[in-house]
Amino acid sequence: EPEVTQTPSHQVTQMGQEVILRCVPISNHLYFYWYRQILGQKVEFLVSFYNNEISEKSEIFDDQFSVERPDGSNFTLKIRSTKLEDSAMYFCASSRDGKSPLHFGNGTRLTVT
Amino acid sequence: AQKITQTQPGMFVQEKEAVTLDCTYDTSDQSYGLFWYKQPSSGEMIFLIYQGSYDEQNATEGRYSLNFQKARKSANLVISASQLGDSAMYFCAMRGTNAGKSTFGDGTTLTVKP
Repeated sequence: EPEVTQTPSHQVTQMGQEVILRCVPISNHLYFYWYRQILGQKVEFLVSFYNNEISEKSEIFDDQFSVERPDGSNFTLKIRSTKLEDSAMYFCASSRDGKSPLHFGNGTRLTVT
Repeated sequence: AQKITQTQPGMFVQEKEAVTLDCTYDTSDQSYGLFWYKQPSSGEMIFLIYQGSYDEQNATEGRYSLNFQKARKSANLVISASQLGDSAMYFCAMRGTNAGKSTFGDGTTLTVKP
């Protein structure tokens, strides 16, 4: 069964550094998302992406965050200048259409020191 | 705005018994989807079951069934014949008509006792 792939599985970075989290959504899916989950807490929406543009973003998704789909397969989340509070599990998800379930990747655990 | 409420932070069930995890929701959308996800201790999010707001039948997937009561705005997950591997965090979520984000509840931690 096709799956969403995320790399790396774990990223450690120093405060103030830029990180790029990578995702390969399921190939025939049209909607792409980033969520984050601070350890043991709820799953928080960051951004949704459709038709090569952001369709919705949350208050969390401020100017230090950006997303790209550079080549039709990869979907990336960039955090320009990481803060300690950015430490979390970041999940990429995709769905076939606007009503289908989201399929999640295994997540990237980001640790900012 | 959409809101999902899961009122049970933690639940225990004996192996082989059934358990119901509660979920209530609030939305102004006429058409929406309700989902349940399982998150084991390893951290991945696993899709379990989906219910559309216009579906007349309750959704079932193997040992999982969704008790959908639209008038009460509830979408409880029923797990039959619990197994030790069912021990995990369970999230209820919904999507509205604009195909945007899914909103998640706070989750319920289920522990299956041998």
